[in-house]
Amino acid sequence: AQSVSQHNHHVILSEAASLELGCNYSYGGTVNLFWYVQYPGQHLQLLLKYFSGDPLVKGIKGFEAEFIKSKFSFNLRKPSVQWSDTAEYFCAVMRFLASGGSYIPTFGRGTSLIVHP
Amino acid sequence: DAGVTQSPTHLIKTRGQQVTLRCSPKSGHDTVSWYQQALGQGPQFIFQYYEEEERQRGNFPDRFSGHQFPNYSSELNVNALLLGDSALYLCASSRYRPGRRTDTQYFGPGTRLTVL
Repeated sequence: AQSVSQHNHHVILSEAASLELGCNYSYGGTVNLFWYVQYPGQHLQLLLKYFSGDPLVKGIKGFEAEFIKSKFSFNLRKPSVQWSDTAEYFCAVMRFLASGGSYIPTFGRGTSLIVHP
Repeated sequence: DAGVTQSPTHLIKTRGQQVTLRCSPKSGHDTVSWYQQALGQGPQFIFQYYEEEERQRGNFPDRFSGHQFPNYSSELNVNALLLGDSALYLCASSRYRPGRRTDTQYFGPGTRLTVL
């Protein structure tokens, strides 16, 4: 079965520190990749997505992610975090099913990021 | 432009009861997906509806069923509730795109279901 692994479950940083959250998936076929963020008390919002093309994608609020196909990874990065980045971050993989012409989504269990001012 | 809306916000039920949750998709969206998010976990895919039919389904028992209406809104029904069904139920909407690509899903705020 397809799985999505987020290795860092809890990350604590100080403001201005650099961030990298890992995401690895196990499916080898066609995939679309996403990072979602859930701020305290709010619903899931899209940070960035990768469908094809340039493997380095830029999202909102200074976030970026790099798709490395050979490593089945889609790590999220930000050069300098802010207190307002405190949130839960979810990696999601959409696996394409040729038989149905649609996608099956799988989410990682999430990474809780706390940024101290 | 309203986003994805869900009702009710919170719900408390007892074991064995049945529950119906509702979702209205974002304007312009025709596909609705349902997820279950247990505490401390990521969302787990339950099923997806498009053109009033269930198109894809995750690893959930038949106690979980759904419906999509002509206006694209959707319901999630859970029968014979178990304590383990306590979770946040998320609805996400998107536009169907044929071929080898999926459109971005937009999530609602969720319905918090507690089963006692």
